Amino acid sequence: GNSVTQMEGPVTLSEEAFLTINCTYTATGYPSLFWYVQYPGEGLQLLLKATKADDKGSNKGFEATYRKETTSFHLEKGSVQVSDSAVYFCALSDITNAGKSTFGDGTTLTVKP
Amino acid sequence: GAVVSQHPSWVICKSGTSVKIECRSLDFQATTMFWYRQFPKQSLMLMATSNEGSKATYEQGVEKDKFLINHASLTLSTLTVTSAHPEDSSFYICSADTSGHYNEQFFGPGTRLTVL
Repeated sequence: GNSVTQMEGPVTLSEEAFLTINCTYTATGYPSLFWYVQYPGEGLQLLLKATKADDKGSNKGFEATYRKETTSFHLEKGSVQVSDSAVYFCALSDITNAGKSTFGDGTTLTVKP
Repeated sequence: GAVVSQHPSWVICKSGTSVKIECRSLDFQATTMFWYRQFPKQSLMLMATSNEGSKATYEQGVEKDKFLINHASLTLSTLTVTSAHPEDSSFYICSADTSGHYNEQFFGPGTRLTVL
């Protein structure tokens, strides 16, 4: 079956530090890959996505590249801000699995001023 | 575009009562909606897949008689927690699938259910 493994948190960084949150996956088909962000008490918001190998998703300074050879989709940001503090979920969606999404366990990021 | 709303955003009820949660796609039609449950500091657990005009497909271990799902139109799915108990207290999130968007799901803001 499909699975997503995320780097364990929590992650605490100082403002303007470099961020990497690792994500690897296993899938039976050819999935689309996503990063979602969840702020306290809210639902999930799509941060970025990639639908095929070597695609790079980017948004708000965050980037992730779909690496088929290493089955990875690591999230990066060059300079984090306090407002980036949230929980980040890596996910995949596989059309061969009725479009269901599989989520990682989430990584809590806290950015201190 | 692709906005999903949930109502109510929070609800407190007594043990033994039933609670209905609505999930609406506001600016698109959703043939498929998903219902998730999220415990504090944990990931999302898929409960069921809701398809318009047909019965929902429940994940293993989810009681279909406990969590009733109705997807009566292309813009509305409802989750009814029947005879709620304190262990049903959780954050319930729905999402809608827009076909042709690489299976991207759009999430509602969630409903916090507290059963006393």
